Amino acid sequence: GDSVTQMEGPVTLSEEAFLTINCTYTATGYPSLFWYVQYPGEGLQLLLKATKADDKGSNKGFEATYRKETTSFHLEKGSVQVSDSAVYFCALIVSGGYQKVTFGIGTKLQVIP
Amino acid sequence: EAQVTQNPRYLITVTGKKLTVTCSQNMNHEYMSWYRQDPGLGLRQIYYSMNVEVTDKGDVPEGYKVSRKEKRNFPLILESPSPNQTSLYFCASSLVGREAFFGQGTRLTVV
Repeated sequence: GDSVTQMEGPVTLSEEAFLTINCTYTATGYPSLFWYVQYPGEGLQLLLKATKADDKGSNKGFEATYRKETTSFHLEKGSVQVSDSAVYFCALIVSGGYQKVTFGIGTKLQVIP
Repeated sequence: EAQVTQNPRYLITVTGKKLTVTCSQNMNHEYMSWYRQDPGLGLRQIYYSMNVEVTDKGDVPEGYKVSRKEKRNFPLILESPSPNQTSLYFCASSLVGREAFFGQGTRLTVV
């Protein structure tokens, strides 16, 4: 079946550090890929997405590139802020008769001043 | 404003007392689903619905029921809650093949 693998964390960084959260996937078809963010006490919000190979999604300084050859969708940000502290979920959808979002376990990011 | 609304946000109940968590979306989405979020396990799908009167089991359906009588509503029913259903629950909706929109979550405690 479909699956998404990401580190659980927590990942602790100092403000202005470079962030990478790795995400790899397995899928039976051609997935669309997503990163969601969950701030404390809130629901999940879409952060960025990519729907085909080599697409780059970007939002709020975060970027991720859909790499079909390595089945990866790593999340990066050049300079993190304290306000970026949250849980980040990598996810995929393989459309068809059965639409299901498959999530990774979520990576908790803590940014310290 | 496009949104998915869940109620209640917080609920404490006793074992065996039936409860319903409501979910409503105003985006005319066909697809709706319920997830539970537990530490170390991430998000797991409970039930989903492809459209009105079409529902099916997700990965962890035991102990839950759903219904989809109207396109906008997708309630989650716990007929006889047990302590292992203590969790954070999320409702989500989407167009087929597109990103999901999530509600704010319902934190359920069963004592």
